[in-house]
Amino acid sequence: NAGVTQTPKFQVLKTGQSMTLQCAQDMNHEYMSWYRQDPGMGLRLIHYSVGAGITDQGEVPNGYNVSRSTTEDFPLRLLSAAPSQTSVYFCASSRYRGYNEQFFGPGTRLTVL
Amino acid sequence: AQKVTQAQTEISVVEKEDVTLDCVYETRDTTYYLFWYKQPPSGELVFLIRRNSFDEQNEISGRYSWNFQKSTSSFNFTITASQVVDSAVYFCALTEGSGGGADGLTFGKGTHLIIQP
Repeated sequence: NAGVTQTPKFQVLKTGQSMTLQCAQDMNHEYMSWYRQDPGMGLRLIHYSVGAGITDQGEVPNGYNVSRSTTEDFPLRLLSAAPSQTSVYFCASSRYRGYNEQFFGPGTRLTVL
Repeated sequence: AQKVTQAQTEISVVEKEDVTLDCVYETRDTTYYLFWYKQPPSGELVFLIRRNSFDEQNEISGRYSWNFQKSTSSFNFTITASQVVDSAVYFCALTEGSGGGADGLTFGKGTHLIIQP
């Protein structure tokens, strides 16, 4: 099993550009989520999904969209990138619910100029 | 609202010393789950332990041990005989059980542990 995969590993954007961070898992996990990690801030939840077709907002959802059309994939879209979105983004998945062990992807380091 | 506090921003010890990382949490739920994750310099997040609020037994796994005390809302992590490979950022995290954990994990800000040879 590949576990949780994320692409790309690194990305540089200009202010106003849009892009999609990809996340996929092959463990048939129902629960998937996106976090951002900023220096000295720990990780903060952006969006989450409890199953295909169901998504909801986390702590810091502004500027991001998600969709969950399949169990495996949970892409994160930046609509109009801003320098404040410079961060490391982690996707995670867990079996059934968020209180189970969450498996994290390797992360995407995004810089917005 | 749930909150996790890791008051120690950075700890530096010499190899073979024991070290304890503190974690204090706040929640109004009676059912909740606590986690510790390790983030080595390579950047990935490694799961260490999950504990639910009904299980206050301390846990030991090799050189790692965890002390869960509901009376003080703490879930501390001790590394015995530390090694250079233990150098990492360690995160404590909490999720409440009432929503099935759907709200995700609330992380502390992390403790950067430096083990000097």
